[in-house]
Amino acid sequence: ELKVEQNPLFLSMQEGKNYTIYCNYSTTSDRLYWYRQDPGKSLESLFVLLSNGAVKQEGRLMASLDTKARLSTLHITAAVHDLSATYFCAVDMYSGGGADGLTFGKGTHLIIQP
Amino acid sequence: KAGVTQTPRYLIKTRGQQVTLSCSPISGHRSVSWYQQTPGQGLQFLFEYFSETQRNKGNFPGRFSGRQFSNSRSEMNVSTLELGDSALYLCASSLGGRGDHTEAFFGQGTRLTVV
Repeated sequence: ELKVEQNPLFLSMQEGKNYTIYCNYSTTSDRLYWYRQDPGKSLESLFVLLSNGAVKQEGRLMASLDTKARLSTLHITAAVHDLSATYFCAVDMYSGGGADGLTFGKGTHLIIQP
Repeated sequence: KAGVTQTPRYLIKTRGQQVTLSCSPISGHRSVSWYQQTPGQGLQFLFEYFSETQRNKGNFPGRFSGRQFSNSRSEMNVSTLELGDSALYLCASSLGGRGDHTEAFFGQGTRLTVV
């Protein structure tokens, strides 16, 4: 059974600081996704990582994937309040294309204080 | 372009009843997946449909079923509702072809409350 573990599950940080969220998964996969969820809202796709060593950046967020270590990281640089949300990583369970069936981590609830 | 549309947005049902939720994917997307989100269990995969066929299924009882129509719209049905079925049900669409490796786009969800 595929397991996806995120840590930390809760993170309170100050604006301007840097931090990293970690996502470990238990079985071989080369497709990992990061999503953001605001309270009461749906999931917004942030990054799709499709190969070992993949690195993607969007604004203050950067995600990377190490398939050998079964580890992905989401790095936040110089955090701002607008980044406060819950962040999920997800791994595709099946060998097919698209996102046939995603196993999600429990999410990291991020609060950024002024 | 229009995103993933789920209806209704909110539902209140009584234990023992059944419910049908609807999802219209992004135009051109052929894969629709359903997820249940609860505070205790988090996000859990229910099933995935591609070209009107269930391609993958998560670990949920048979009370949870779905189907997909020729226009890729999908419905999810839950029969004999239990209090524990109260959740946010999310649908996601993607291109879905083998090897596409594309992302899934989520709808706004249907908030189901069972009383």
